[in-house]
Amino acid sequence: DVKVTQSSRYLVKRTGEKVFLECVQDMDHENMFWYRQDPGLGLRLIYFSYDVKMKEKGDIPEGYSVSREKKERFSLILESASTNQTSMYLCASSTRASGYEQYFGPGTRLTVT
Amino acid sequence: SQKIEQNSEALNIQEGKTATLTCNYTNYSPAYLQWYRQDPGRGPVFLLLIRENEKEKRKERLKVTFDTTLKQSLFHITASQPADSATYLCAIDITGGGNKLTFGTGTQLKVEL
Repeated sequence: DVKVTQSSRYLVKRTGEKVFLECVQDMDHENMFWYRQDPGLGLRLIYFSYDVKMKEKGDIPEGYSVSREKKERFSLILESASTNQTSMYLCASSTRASGYEQYFGPGTRLTVT
Repeated sequence: SQKIEQNSEALNIQEGKTATLTCNYTNYSPAYLQWYRQDPGRGPVFLLLIRENEKEKRKERLKVTFDTTLKQSLFHITASQPADSATYLCAIDITGGGNKLTFGTGTQLKVEL
């Protein structure tokens, strides 16, 4: 079974802090994604990566950056956290070989105070 | 812009009945459409994928239809059970490349005894 893990289930940070969210997948998937999910707005794509060191902006990249130095790891960085970045963050991975179905991690509930 | 609509109102049905959820989209012709299940506080889990040349797909008690003329997918759960209570999300690939999905906001299903 594909396993996608995220570094924290819950995280509380202060405004202005730099925040790192880590995601690791164990199935050699080429694609990895970061979403945020807010009530009434659904899942919104922040960034995705289709290969090591490659990244593309999603629908809401402002205030975020990403890093993919190894195939299995995709990091989301909040350079200077703000209260409007309080949200549930979900990481996912996919591969063309299995039809691009996405496998999600358990999510990180981030609160910025 | 691409829009995916799912009924935002929760659907309440009795155990044993068939639940039918709707996904409508505009401004695009996706090659396939996916359905996911999401339980509270967890990441979505992939259920089914249906391609544009498939009118219907089944998996156990689940059935998905895909009408590219109406730009609509219907998701059916037959003989529903309380354990089917969850939020169900549809997703389509808007890029044509296959590796990036846009999700609807989901419909919450509650199956009552």
